[in-house]
Amino acid sequence: NAGVTQTPKFRILKIGQSMTLQCTQDMNHNYMYWYRQDPGMGLKLIYYSVGAGITDKGEVPNGYNVSRSTTEDFPLRLELAAPSQTSVYFCASSTGQGYGYTFGSGTRLTVV
Amino acid sequence: QQQVKQSPQSLIVQKGGIPIINCAYENTAFDYFPWYQQFPGKGPALLIAIRPDVSEKKEGRFTISFNKSAKQFSLHIMDSQPGDSATYFCAASRSRDDKIIFGKGTRLHILP
Repeated sequence: NAGVTQTPKFRILKIGQSMTLQCTQDMNHNYMYWYRQDPGMGLKLIYYSVGAGITDKGEVPNGYNVSRSTTEDFPLRLELAAPSQTSVYFCASSTGQGYGYTFGSGTRLTVV
Repeated sequence: QQQVKQSPQSLIVQKGGIPIINCAYENTAFDYFPWYQQFPGKGPALLIAIRPDVSEKKEGRFTISFNKSAKQFSLHIMDSQPGDSATYFCAASRSRDDKIIFGKGTRLHILP
């Protein structure tokens, strides 16, 4: 039982490059989320999805895009990376019924 | 607008002491209050959660106290151990949309 799997674990990008952070879950959860975590700032919601084909913006969506073509996968796309996107990114999933989230182990991204 | 305020930002306690982390919320529509524990290099993991129909919940050495009228809740760790050293996040959500709002976190260090 893998839970929520994120790849890669670490990545260094140059300013202006693009990349996709991968997230997949095997719990058949309908709800999935992307958060970023910056020191002392907690977790901020970037995008979320309540099911395949449905996505919506969270608190800090600028500079990111998502898609949800299957229940299992919820990739996060960074276009034109900027230093402000240096952060640790967490993907999470839930049943959507108010019983908490299961988080992945994170992707540490540095933009130089 | 920060909807869940958490204090303190950091806390150092001797082994066996009882660290207390406090949180306050603003939205009276919140009906689920989880606490997450995060170790370095890992994703947050659900530790314990409470709903507003009870004033206290215990799971092992961890206790949540909940004061609905004051819109406050707190985490107590009994007989704290060095292995409890981690970052703790309080959070709140509405079951009907399952979007969790996190506090900024408390870095707890238990001295051996």
